[in-house]
Amino acid sequence: QSALTQPASVSGSPGQSITISCTGTSSDVGGYNYVSWYQQHPGKAPKLMIYDVSNRPSGVSNRFSGSKSGNTASLTISGLQAEDEADYYCSSYTSSSTPLYVFGTGTKVTVL
Amino acid sequence: EVQLVESGGGLVKPGGSLRLSCAASGFTFSSYSMNWVRQAPGKGLEWVSSISSSSSYIYYADSVKGRFTISRDNAKNSLYLQMNSLRAEDTAVYYCARVIPSGFDYWGQGTLVTVSS
Repeated sequence: QSALTQPASVSGSPGQSITISCTGTSSDVGGYNYVSWYQQHPGKAPKLMIYDVSNRPSGVSNRFSGSKSGNTASLTISGLQAEDEADYYCSSYTSSSTPLYVFGTGTKVTVL
Repeated sequence: EVQLVESGGGLVKPGGSLRLSCAASGFTFSSYSMNWVRQAPGKGLEWVSSISSSSSYIYYADSVKGRFTISRDNAKNSLYLQMNSLRAEDTAVYYCARVIPSGFDYWGQGTLVTVSS
């Protein structure tokens, strides 16, 4: 099972909105509402930003939102801020026992 | 406060072994499945292994199956990863993470494993 496909990089100016896509298959993204998104700053551990496609954990800004259509999930960051500059990874539960979870290829978000 | 603290990483020669540990606190460890996820230098995240709350269900990535063994001790609130027959491509930061159905809600700070002669 291959990694989920994300754009390598996305950029935007402060205050703008950006969207990161995450494309999988019917065996992962399209088959379950178990898609999550992670933010990772350099040298730090990943942080959960979205779970179950569109739910935000307590403490995560409402500028972050998630959605899914078919085999593609999306993360939107609105009102882009300097601290949003980081790597972002999607992940999905899969129908296989190996891998049980699959990650996306990762997207570098740059705030211009 | 949920805390996950990994330890046991280091430099090991190809073919060698290493045992990683993850000490959990701030939640009822025995109620959660746990995972190991790794990240090679400059690369993306890779799921490695999962273990259910009572150790009844264990899963491995194909890349580590037969070489790595995940285990847990609920009495000690600890997760382990025994890594044998290590290869250069196993070089990575290894994170332990708490599982929710959708993914991983808490992560440790990671421990670096370097496989090199």
